[in-house]
Amino acid sequence: SQQGEEDPQALSIQEGENATMNCSYKTSINNLQWYRQNSGRGLVHLILIRSNEREKHSGRLRVTLDTSKKSSSLLITASRAADTASYFCATDALYGNKLVFGAGTILRVKS
Amino acid sequence: DGGITQSPKYLFRKEGQNVTLSCEQNLNHDAMYWYRQDPGQGLRLIYYSQIVNDFQKGDIAEGYSVSREKKESFPLTVTSAQKNPTAFYLCASSFSGFNQPQHFGDGTRLSIL
Repeated sequence: SQQGEEDPQALSIQEGENATMNCSYKTSINNLQWYRQNSGRGLVHLILIRSNEREKHSGRLRVTLDTSKKSSSLLITASRAADTASYFCATDALYGNKLVFGAGTILRVKS
Repeated sequence: DGGITQSPKYLFRKEGQNVTLSCEQNLNHDAMYWYRQDPGQGLRLIYYSQIVNDFQKGDIAEGYSVSREKKESFPLTVTSAQKNPTAFYLCASSFSGFNQPQHFGDGTRLSIL
């Protein structure tokens, strides 16, 4: 089974609202990364948070990591129609040799 | 501008045919990766290479082959042994290993004729 699993599978919000996506994983990690994918395109790296960090910010993005609960959340504040995309978390397991992606959350921001 | 270029964007394969997907990067990255994405699913690792002339199998390498003769290039061949090749194929690169952010190309969509 996949290391990272996102929740919810799909999210629909109005422009200006905040969007929160969650990611849970199973094993200890070195870091966790969040990516965005627009329809039919490649993934774009958003943010990387290391296992010894609890929170990181990048513009309108806020990522938290709780290693005791093996979970992370991605918050997009003041969402825009251009934020409509799929969002994936990916984990670099402590003793693994690959980046494992979850199935993603589909975000739709209505204008 | 630096980036990763995948070609072609769309590819059709006939029964019994091998096809090769191209991936070129000018980011001076050491590591390159090939992923397969099926509808509604995350990415699955096919092959990766951390240095020229060396590559490793990922989770779903059966029916695929790669080469890494140049730092900039990491082509993927989908062989006739891959019975279900219809998918979106993504190439990525990073400075070194899996603990680094990966930069992705825009993918190749492969379908069966």
